[in-house]
Amino acid sequence: DAGVTQSPTHLIKTRGQQVTLRCSPISGHKSVSWYQQVLGQGPQFIFQYYEKEERGRGNFPDRFSARQFPNYSSELNVNALLLGDSALYLCATQLEGVNEQFFGPGTRLTVL
Amino acid sequence: GESVGLHLPTLSVQEGDNSIINCAYSNSASDYFIWYKQESGKGPQFIIDIRSNMDKRQGQRVTVLLNKTVKHLSLQIAATQPGDSAVYFCAEKNSGTYKYIFGTGTRLKVLA
Repeated sequence: DAGVTQSPTHLIKTRGQQVTLRCSPISGHKSVSWYQQVLGQGPQFIFQYYEKEERGRGNFPDRFSARQFPNYSSELNVNALLLGDSALYLCATQLEGVNEQFFGPGTRLTVL
Repeated sequence: GESVGLHLPTLSVQEGDNSIINCAYSNSASDYFIWYKQESGKGPQFIIDIRSNMDKRQGQRVTVLLNKTVKHLSLQIAATQPGDSAVYFCAEKNSGTYKYIFGTGTRLKVLA
């Protein structure tokens, strides 16, 4: 079975631009979480989606948004990019009722 | 945002020795804890977890110890191998939320 997949692998944007990152969960996983990992730090929880609804959000501004599709894949959108948004963006999926999360390889976003 | 643990330290061990990686958590309401391994260019990989009603849990070559009195978590790796070289993160969660809080991690270097 394929694991969690994310696209693109790398992305370079300039300040003020908008970006969309994509995540496809493991088959059967309906819950998708997004994390931001700045170099040298642990992942920071952005939000979690389940059945197309947001059910948890971390301390991130409204410039960060996401949605989940009927096939449980998800997109993360970041508007008005700042230099500080440069990070590895990780997607994690899990079965409902199970705590274990499975992470994708991440998307490396660089904002110039 | 919140974080578990300290700034990223580095632990160097000889191949074949045992490794102990420590983590302090801050939220006494957390009742689920996980250790992840992250290799360069990859997403975090689940190693072992423990619930707050346990003090110790063993896996293959790994043991997690939980001391709720001092809010301390440790990961023990037996007979450390070169393939164990990575950054290790602890993470905590409260069962009433969907938010996982990660520490900043510990880099493990295995010396041949």
